[in-house]
Amino acid sequence: DTEVTQTPKHLVMGMTNKKSLKCEQHMGHRAMYWYKQKAKKPPELMFVYSYEKLSINESVPSRFSPECPNSSLLNLHLHALQPEDSALYLCASSQEPGQHTEAFFGQGTRLTVV
Amino acid sequence: SQQGEEDPQALSIQEGENATMNCSYKTSINNLQWYRQNSGRGLVHLILIRSNEREKHSGRLRVTLDTSKKSSSLLITASRAADTASYFCATDRIGNTPLVFGKGTRLSVIA
Repeated sequence: DTEVTQTPKHLVMGMTNKKSLKCEQHMGHRAMYWYKQKAKKPPELMFVYSYEKLSINESVPSRFSPECPNSSLLNLHLHALQPEDSALYLCASSQEPGQHTEAFFGQGTRLTVV
Repeated sequence: SQQGEEDPQALSIQEGENATMNCSYKTSINNLQWYRQNSGRGLVHLILIRSNEREKHSGRLRVTLDTSKKSSSLLITASRAADTASYFCATDRIGNTPLVFGKGTRLSVIA
């Protein structure tokens, strides 16, 4: 299984809602990532988890809250988002942090904040 | 900030032609990777070239790396309509940092 599965595929939420994005991989990867991608732009790193611990937070606003319940799962909790947070949110994983192997990406969650 | 800068930003070619995309970066790297993204979907890894390598092939793909010029190129030979996608280079800097993506090249292959 070389897949990274993200749910939901699409999400529309109001600015007062609380929602969560989920990501799952069963490749035994110990590094997991959240990226945000706006239209016609490259993915921008948000968070890195290394061995289930948050190792990098790229100055992301606190309305985005990541969580890594176990080595296979990564969540992104959303609260009080703004319309400008609408984007494609991509989860990725790689074998070992810092070993510079390929990253495997999920298909993303297309988020619209209204 | 983005590490890599691709050019051209957009490229349109006929099926069967070769497509060349370039990537430049600013700091020393461990390796450079190329990814492909179909419209609004996840990224797919194409090829990784290490900083001590100069050229690498995979099927119809050929990647070169010139660390003295801090640049890389991706050549897709005998392009197909199915190659239509955005292509990104990604680098990780020395010091075990995660991937940072360039701005990407949008390739259109016309049948």
